[in-house]
Amino acid sequence: IAGITQAPTSQILAAGRRMTLRCTQDMRHNAMYWYRQDLGLGLRLIHYSNTAGTTGKGEVPDGYSVSRANTDDFPLTLASAVPSQTSVYFCASSDSQDPDTQYFGPGTRLTVL
Amino acid sequence: GQNIDQPTEMTATEGAIVQINCTYQTSGFNGLFWYQQHAGEAPTFLSYNVLDGLEEKGRFSSFLSRSKGYSYLLLKELQMKDSASYLCAVSDSNYQLIWGAGTKLIIKP
Repeated sequence: IAGITQAPTSQILAAGRRMTLRCTQDMRHNAMYWYRQDLGLGLRLIHYSNTAGTTGKGEVPDGYSVSRANTDDFPLTLASAVPSQTSVYFCASSDSQDPDTQYFGPGTRLTVL
Repeated sequence: GQNIDQPTEMTATEGAIVQINCTYQTSGFNGLFWYQQHAGEAPTFLSYNVLDGLEEKGRFSSFLSRSKGYSYLLLKELQMKDSASYLCAVSDSNYQLIWGAGTKLIIKP
């Protein structure tokens, strides 16, 4: 089934631990994005990648890192998790032919204690 | 700064019509999007406006006025399955999407 997958679906993590959220798409989209969504706030961009091998910082990049070794995968790493990183994380992708329309993965619900 | 405003919550009756407004102030404008998000699910694309006017797609229509920094999403013949949050987003000068906090629409029988 074409689309975007994310793993894990949910995770409870102790503060200070390292965590990588996985995102894979099979649509051959050039651009990929990581957002966090918190109650009462809009989706906030953490990091993005316009093409394999390049990444950029979004609105709230601190405490997160990404890599884009190939077109399909865009993992998000929390080096040392803190409670304020408790959120729902969405990965998205877009096609270079229609760059503004983003397609979202199912999300990862992360709780940092 | 960049800002997207939309009402936090709206209630409507099954079978009726509802209009969800969105106002924006962004650095540049490359289009306005509406997404639907059911509780616990991912946002899904509904509509895109880049020129002034009304775009109709079935029961859903979206309107844009660039001079007023204003858009609305119109939902007709409301169904219970339309209960969801509706997110307004603007593509800015860097083609990054700036998102509103979303409007939670509650449909009552």
